[in-house]
Amino acid sequence: LAKTTQPISMDSYEGQEVNITCSHNNIATNDYITWYQQFPSQGPRFIIQGYKTKVTNEVASLFIPADRKSSTLSLPRVSLSDTAVYYCLVGEAAGNKLTFGGGTRVLVKP
Amino acid sequence: EAEVAQSPRYKITEKSQAVAFWCDPISGHATLYWYRQILGQGPELLVQFQDESVVDDSQLPKDRFSAERLKGVDSTLKIQPAELGDSAMYLCASSPHRAGANVLTFGAGSRLTVL
Repeated sequence: LAKTTQPISMDSYEGQEVNITCSHNNIATNDYITWYQQFPSQGPRFIIQGYKTKVTNEVASLFIPADRKSSTLSLPRVSLSDTAVYYCLVGEAAGNKLTFGGGTRVLVKP
Repeated sequence: EAEVAQSPRYKITEKSQAVAFWCDPISGHATLYWYRQILGQGPELLVQFQDESVVDDSQLPKDRFSAERLKGVDSTLKIQPAELGDSAMYLCASSPHRAGANVLTFGAGSRLTVL
């Protein structure tokens, strides 16, 4: 199983861009990279998923270099409501054995 | 938007008592997961089902925990007897089973407090 390493916490201010990098040196060929967001007392919520290069949706962008040993979640112009824990998951196809790490606690300040 | 249903939302029990949690996944999702999340930590996979079969229960404390998904739809996670260290959020998630990428949809969780 590919293990992931993320910063424990990050602080930002409203309107700024937040970039969270996740290391996954042992990523396998069939693995996808998925990011989830979790608010207190709620289940994690899917943000974005990618395999290589760049993926963008209405919420975030995901940058994956060619070697796929890391990935960066980019949250543009964060607001107070983006304060949450963000998890990077690297898992086999078909969703088998998806393991969460400790996540990155993002605090957005006014 | 389809949701994963979990109940109860909150449960307070005394140690040595039995506890049960129920999960109803999104219709058509073949894969169902139970995770345990201790406050301040990431979710830990307890058991994964593919339809009614267990795919992975390597982290499930089988002396006190059991899980079943008899008809391949909803699932029950049981703890007997509960211990103080079982206090946590129990999260259920489901995903479709198909080749390529899959995304987990989580329920709101069941928060257990063992006194």
